[in-house]
Amino acid sequence: GAGVSQSPSNKVTEKGKDVELRCDPISGHTALYWYRQRLGQGLEFLIYFQGNSAPDKSGLPSDRFSAERTGESVSTLTIQRTQQEDSAVYLCASSSPGQGLPSSGNTIYFGEGSWLTVV
Amino acid sequence: AQKVTQAQTEISVVEKEDVTLDCVYETRDTTYYLFWYKQPPSGELVFLIRRNSFDEQNEISGRYSWNFQKSTSSFNFTITASQVVDSAVYFCALSHYQGGKLIFGQGTELSVKP
Repeated sequence: GAGVSQSPSNKVTEKGKDVELRCDPISGHTALYWYRQRLGQGLEFLIYFQGNSAPDKSGLPSDRFSAERTGESVSTLTIQRTQQEDSAVYLCASSSPGQGLPSSGNTIYFGEGSWLTVV
Repeated sequence: AQKVTQAQTEISVVEKEDVTLDCVYETRDTTYYLFWYKQPPSGELVFLIRRNSFDEQNEISGRYSWNFQKSTSSFNFTITASQVVDSAVYFCALSHYQGGKLIFGQGTELSVKP
């Protein structure tokens, strides 16, 4: 498809289990972002990829969270030993850096999110 | 440090009223981008506008208009003649011009009643 694709769209898991969330960015977009949004809250930045490298992972809340990206395309966010406070929507976004002047820079497009419920 | 503040948590208006959503930002960067996104009840974040810090010209798109004022570090969003379909949470965001993460405000929930 033309947009950012995320899977699964919904996931219910038991406390203590590991989960993997997948993101397919828009084709050609070199930048990829993961955000978390708890119910009724704003968006929390988790990690940013430029290509396959992650120059900014300052938002990962604990060492239970990790993410990787391969082929400058698909990214996987993994949460180990899930806790109830991990319940949230996990949003992926992608962008293509602009060419030349700042005025031609990037616009960030979001997927529909993966709703995670930890019971 | 970068920060975005949307002081209005919730706004409720009656259809056809005009409404302005406030956004104030803080950054030490001289070049940066500002964004507005809409999040309807379905949950998907919909891009509305991107503005770079070089361009203070206000923009109008149909019933939507944006007022960017660097002097007050504000990027306010006005919906004219609001409609029920405008009901959503609206987020203002900031990024460095070279890309990288978006810093979001806490969002303003707009409720437009018939």
